[in-house]
Amino acid sequence: EVEMVESGGGLVQPGGSLRLSCAGSGFTFSSFWLSWVRQAPGKGLEWVANIKQDESEKYYVDSVKGRFTISRDNAKNSLYLQMNSLRAEDTAVYYCATMTANILPPDVWGQGTTVTVSS
Amino acid sequence: DIQMTQSPSTLSASVGDRVIITCRASQTINTWLAWYQQKPGKAPKLLIYKTSTLQSGVPSRFSGGGSGTEFALTISSLQPDDFATYYCQQYNTYSEFTFGPGTKVDIK
Repeated sequence: EVEMVESGGGLVQPGGSLRLSCAGSGFTFSSFWLSWVRQAPGKGLEWVANIKQDESEKYYVDSVKGRFTISRDNAKNSLYLQMNSLRAEDTAVYYCATMTANILPPDVWGQGTTVTVSS
Repeated sequence: DIQMTQSPSTLSASVGDRVIITCRASQTINTWLAWYQQKPGKAPKLLIYKTSTLQSGVPSRFSGGGSGTEFALTISSLQPDDFATYYCQQYNTYSEFTFGPGTKVDIK
């Protein structure tokens, strides 16, 4: 079964840092682009970042540029999101997802991990 | 930046109704448009990709159409399991994905 499982969420103070992880299984992890998408409480979905198979291309939504870093370790079938200088508006459920074909958008999603930025 | 809009934001309907949700992009995205269904507390589920291709396992009462900047999701006969929030998403380039604000379909 193709699966993505996030971890690492929690409560962090404004200005703090957090690293999210996402473990993939049931597919050839190294073959596909990967994404992070978030959803603030009661709000819609917001794309956060994409990373290419070999990490040669990384893209971010403007609101996180310079603060968040997406990375991956294909040997460990793992995706990461390093989040620094966190703000209250970063509070959200963070989903990792993969795109299992070139013509597909994110099609396999994790269950999400919750990040709360509050003092 | 590509902006996405959806209408309506909320839709009240009954079982058996035909439902149409529209999505508009601020610039052409060719046919790189997807539709997702999301239920409370759950991850989004991909319904349709490339504007009109049904994802495996999705019932045929769902269909999508459009091109360029105007798109639509149609549910031909609303079922109890379809009450949810629906999002369109453009994925024209990997450098920028954008979701629409969502359409909540609730019981009339």
